[in-house]
Formats: sequence, C-alpha cells, structure tokens
Amino acid sequence: IAGITQAPTSQILAAGRRMTLRCTQDMRHNAMYWYRQDLGLGLRLIHYSNTAGTTGKGEVPDGYSVSRANTDDFPLTLASAVPSQTSVYFCASSPVVRTDTGELFFGEGSRLTVL
Amino acid sequence: GQQVMQIPQYQHVQEGEDFTTYCNSSTTLSNIQWYKQRPGGHPVFLIQLVKSGEVKKQKRLTFQFGEAKKNSSLHITATQTTDVGTYFCAGLHSGYALNFGKGTSLLVTP
Repeated sequence: IAGITQAPTSQILAAGRRMTLRCTQDMRHNAMYWYRQDLGLGLRLIHYSNTAGTTGKGEVPDGYSVSRANTDDFPLTLASAVPSQTSVYFCASSPVVRTDTGELFFGEGSRLTVL
Repeated sequence: GQQVMQIPQYQHVQEGEDFTTYCNSSTTLSNIQWYKQRPGGHPVFLIQLVKSGEVKKQKRLTFQFGEAKKNSSLHITATQTTDVGTYFCAGLHSGYALNFGKGTSLLVTP
C-alpha cells in the first residue's frame, strides 16, 4: 500500500542520547515535512524539504536536523535529546512544492518520550 | 511570525446538533486546507479552498473561505459520533509549508 512509513512507532529515550526518526514515502512526492504535535499546541513545523538535496527550517527547528539524500527518505535526527522534545512526530509529504494544489499525506506518527 | 488562529479549542455537542470551527489569519492566505484527526490517529486531508469567498460542501460538512482570504470556517450539520476528532485548518501564507492552527477538538455525545 502506497504511503508514508515512519519508524519507530514509539520510543523511550534517555536525555542526552542521539535519536533518528525515519520516514520513507513511496509516492514520489517532491516535498516532505516533519511536524511535532503537542497537546494544546497543534502541529508545528520542524523542518521541510522541497526536493531532494534541499532542506529548510520551520517554526521550531532548534535541536533537530534533517537530510534529504533522495526523494523517498527524510530522516529527522535529535543530536542530544532533551525532555522538552517529548512529543508525537509526524512526517508528511506533498506532491507539489508550494502545496497550492496539493494535500499533505501524513504518516502514522512516532511517539517519543525523553526521560 | 505568521500564525493561523483557530477557535474554539474544544466543543462538546449532543449528537444531532450543529458544530462550527473558525480559522483566522492576520495576513492574506494563498489557500487554506482542512484536516481531521481521529483520536490516536494522524491528520487526514478534508479539503482545500483557494478562491476568495469560496464555499464547498462534503455531505454534512460546509467549508467557507472569506472574501479577504484571511478567515475560514468548517460547519458540520447534524453531528454524528463518527465526527469525533480534532479539526485543523492550515494556511499557506507564502513560501513552502503550511501553518496549522491549534485545532478544535470535537466530542459528540450520543
């Protein structure tokens, strides 16, 4: 089934550890995004990528990094996790760069707890 | 920064009652999208509005985009328990990514 796959589904992590959340899409979409969702704060954009080889910062990029080596993969890395990064992380993709006519397709999410 | 404000934050209705959520932006939007997220699930696209004053309907759901393209609303007629979830608006101001509102959580009691 075509779509977006995120891994892991859930993870408990000690503060200070490095963690990479994986995201893979098989729809050949140009644009990909990482959002975090926290109660009462909605969805906040962390980083995005318009096309392979390019990335950009969203609303809350500090403490996170991304790479886009190819069209399908868009991993999110926490170099040194802190408790405030406890959240549900959603990866999304869109077939167009500006999303003027394109919807976002979301993965199932990765629930991360940093202790 | 550019923000999309959404109200109310929560709404509890009896099944059969109507429901409306509102989305407002301080700046003009290129387009606005609406998403629904069921409890424990991920956001799912509902619709996109692009034109000033645009109105679209999906069965019991009516979506409106304001004349100035700064506000939008989602109205559900005669809610059902299947409507339970959080409804998000997301606006494209400029650039390459949507800004999401904080969402309105709808609870429908049978």
